[in-house]
Amino acid sequence: DTAVSQTPKYLVTQMGNDKSIKCEQNLGHDTMYWYKQDSKKFLKIMFSYNNKELIINETVPNRFSPKSPDKAHLNLHINSLELGDSAVYFCASSPRDRGNSGANVLTFGAGSRLTVL
Amino acid sequence: AQTVTQSQPEMSVQEAETVTLSCTYDTSESDYYLFWYKQPPSRQMILVIRQEAYKQQNATENRFSVNFQKAAKSFSLKISDSQLGDAAMYFCAYRSAWNTGNQFYFGTGTSLTVIP
Repeated sequence: DTAVSQTPKYLVTQMGNDKSIKCEQNLGHDTMYWYKQDSKKFLKIMFSYNNKELIINETVPNRFSPKSPDKAHLNLHINSLELGDSAVYFCASSPRDRGNSGANVLTFGAGSRLTVL
Repeated sequence: AQTVTQSQPEMSVQEAETVTLSCTYDTSESDYYLFWYKQPPSRQMILVIRQEAYKQQNATENRFSVNFQKAAKSFSLKISDSQLGDAAMYFCAYRSAWNTGNQFYFGTGTSLTVIP
């Protein structure tokens, strides 16, 4: 079973369209994230949710809106897509436990490559 | 915010040889976690190795080991007996043990080429 699954894996769309990327994790983690990886491979945090509550919201345009219906899901909706939105978007999750269990690891989905034409 | 610096955008190594990837970080915290992630061309991000800051012993995972220098805030990755499958982008990452944001900070990555 895939631990963190995101769909679609590839998305090609026209400028101005609205699109969504879905993410689900079956690890029982409390925290979920969206990262953007640009063409230079830089990984930038966009959002973080803990138990459906937004806890990190980096400087991201309002056109990006995350939605967490429950702690196992974190979807990303993008309105009015622009050329600069082309990137790979990674969903990830981590446990909130800060104990010494060694479980403080970020687990990534396979990424969704968004191409805006 | 914490910063993670990888000063080597690209590295290459001959197959079967050893290579070391550098990572430094800036923090005022005493308790944290450090990670190395690998991203092969498939783009999947894979955890290679992790280190708890309170542990003095360097972590090892088969051919992968780290040199953790807490005072110098340095966390390098050594890959021994390099294999063609090790070719990938490698990212160093930091996570605070106590921040409420639960955020992971990533370096800019090092692209490793393995030469047959």
